[in-house]
Amino acid sequence: EAQVTQNPRYLITVTGKKLTVTCSQNMNHEYMSWYRQDPGLGLRQIYYSMNVEVTDKGDVPEGYKVSRKEKRNFPLILESPSPNQTSLYFCASRRGQNYGYTFGSGTRLTVV
Amino acid sequence: AQSVTQLDSHVSVSEGTPVLLRCNYSSSYSPSLFWYVQHPNKGLQLLLKYTSAATLVKGINGFEAEFKKSETSFHLTKPSAHMSDAAEYFCVVTLLTGNQFYFGTGTSLTVIP
Repeated sequence: EAQVTQNPRYLITVTGKKLTVTCSQNMNHEYMSWYRQDPGLGLRQIYYSMNVEVTDKGDVPEGYKVSRKEKRNFPLILESPSPNQTSLYFCASRRGQNYGYTFGSGTRLTVV
Repeated sequence: AQSVTQLDSHVSVSEGTPVLLRCNYSSSYSPSLFWYVQHPNKGLQLLLKYTSAATLVKGINGFEAEFKKSETSFHLTKPSAHMSDAAEYFCVVTLLTGNQFYFGTGTSLTVIP
């Protein structure tokens, strides 16, 4: 089944403890992206990637890192999480610029 | 610069009546436009997309949207609402040559039995 898989689904962590949210797609898509969803703000793009080793900032990149060493994987790294990064995170991939994104099921992160 | 505005944060309709969810965009260039649906505690599902072909776009579950360049609008419609349509709907704009995908703030659709 074609899908975007992100893990974990739920995560509670403490301020300052580094964490990684994994994302993998099995559709051989060029483009991948990370979003965060907050009430009243819709979805905001954190980082995106157009291909292996090609990444760029979205609208809210502060406090996040990404890497794209392989086409299928696009992990999101929070080096020193803070409470304002408590949010619902979505990973997504798409074939190209004229295509919509396919989204993962989401990761609900709570930073205390 | 480009952005998208969803004009209603909440819409309520009775089951069996038409649905209209409004979206306006601003873009300096030819945009691609999408509608996504998010059911409670679920991910986002693509409903339909416009990418400079036919201006009336048909999607899944009976939804359709019309691209009107003169009005910079891309409203989502459905002739008859079903209870299963209750969800959050997002309008999205991106440039044909762009890599960023801009979401509206969403419209919550309630369907009354």
